[in-house]
This record gives sequence, structure tokens and C-alpha cells, in this order.
Amino acid sequence: DAKTTQPNSMESNEEEPVHLPCNHSTISGTDYIHWYRQLPSQGPEYVIHGLTSNVNNRMASLAIAEDRKSSTLILHRATLRDAAVYYCIPPPRSNTGNQFYFGTGTSLTVIP
Amino acid sequence: DAGITQSPRHKVTETGTPVTLRCHQTENHRYMYWYRQDPGHGLRLIHYSYGVKDTDKGEVSDGYSVSRSKTEDFLLTLESATSSQTSVYFCAISESPLESQYFGPGTRLTVT
Repeated sequence: DAKTTQPNSMESNEEEPVHLPCNHSTISGTDYIHWYRQLPSQGPEYVIHGLTSNVNNRMASLAIAEDRKSSTLILHRATLRDAAVYYCIPPPRSNTGNQFYFGTGTSLTVIP
Repeated sequence: DAGITQSPRHKVTETGTPVTLRCHQTENHRYMYWYRQDPGHGLRLIHYSYGVKDTDKGEVSDGYSVSRSKTEDFLLTLESATSSQTSVYFCAISESPLESQYFGPGTRLTVT
């Protein structure tokens, strides 16, 4: 099964860029990597996903390593509202019932 | 925001009583999911549905049953609640298992 590894926690100063890493050395060549985040007392929300090249949207950027064994979620200017748990999600597998596995993610603290 | 509601949002019940949680969507998505979230465990999938009357087990399905008689509603039932089922329950929807999931606001269940 594809698995991911993320740091348990990270800190960032407000208005500075944040780079959240994720290792996913076992994904296959056609697997998308998804990122979600969960704000305090809320359900998770989709952030971004990508396959090979870097991806951008209004929330964040996703940089995927050339060998696809790792990716980095980039928040260009952290705000206090970005304090959340960020999940790097491996692709579902048919042998796991096509289930997303969320794990425990990275808890991001933003310091004013 | 995706149209997903959960009811009730909070519930306190006694051990041994039956409990039903409801998830309602207005997006006409085929897939619906029930997760539970506990400290230190992240989100864990309980059951999911891939169509009306089509459901399958997730990672932590023991003690739970589900039903989906209409596209828009997915019910989670605890036949006889136990204290270990005290948790926050999230419903999610998606168009396919590889697509992004959209989450409801959650139901906080306390079993005393």
C-alpha cells in the first residue's frame, strides 16, 4: 500500500512562506497526491492535488519532486487562519476499498 | 461550499442505547463516507457507500451499520452505543473514489 510520512508539527511566523513536506516513496506513476487541511473544530477541506508537475490554486502551491517520491505544500504567506492540521493523502487502493487514508498529518502553528 | 449537512451536531447518549446519525447532501455525488476522528488517530473510515443500497466496510466498521435508501441520505447507526464510540463523526461525499472529498461539519457524540 502507498503510505506517506509527514512531520507531526511545524511552526511558521505570520506572513512568511511555509513549506510542508511529505514523503510518499511507494506511490506509482499514475497516482495523484492529495492534500487536505483541517481547521480547528471543522471538517477537513480539500486543498490541492497533483500528479507530476507543480500545481497552483488560490489556496496553495504543490511542488512534486521529479522522482515523485516526495512533495511539498507551499503556503506563500501564512496567516493565522492557516493554522490547521495538513494531511498528505496517498491515492486510494482497490485492495483497501478505494479508501483515502488520512493519518495524523502535520499540525501547523502560525506565530503572530 | 458543498451542500452537506449532518444531524444532530451534538448528542449525548447512554451506553446500550441505539443512535442514528444522518448525513444529507444536495450535490448528487455518488460516493458518501462516514469517518470518526479521535485524538492521536486522525480520521478513520467507518463505512462508505458507492450508490443507493451499495455500501462497504471501512477500517473501523465493527459496532456500526449504515444504510443508503436515497442518493442524498447516508445514515450511520450504532445499534448499542458504547463509551469507545465517543468521538467526532464526519460525513464526506465525492463523485468517485479518486476525486476530492467534501466534508460535513461533524457530529460530536458522547456516550456516557
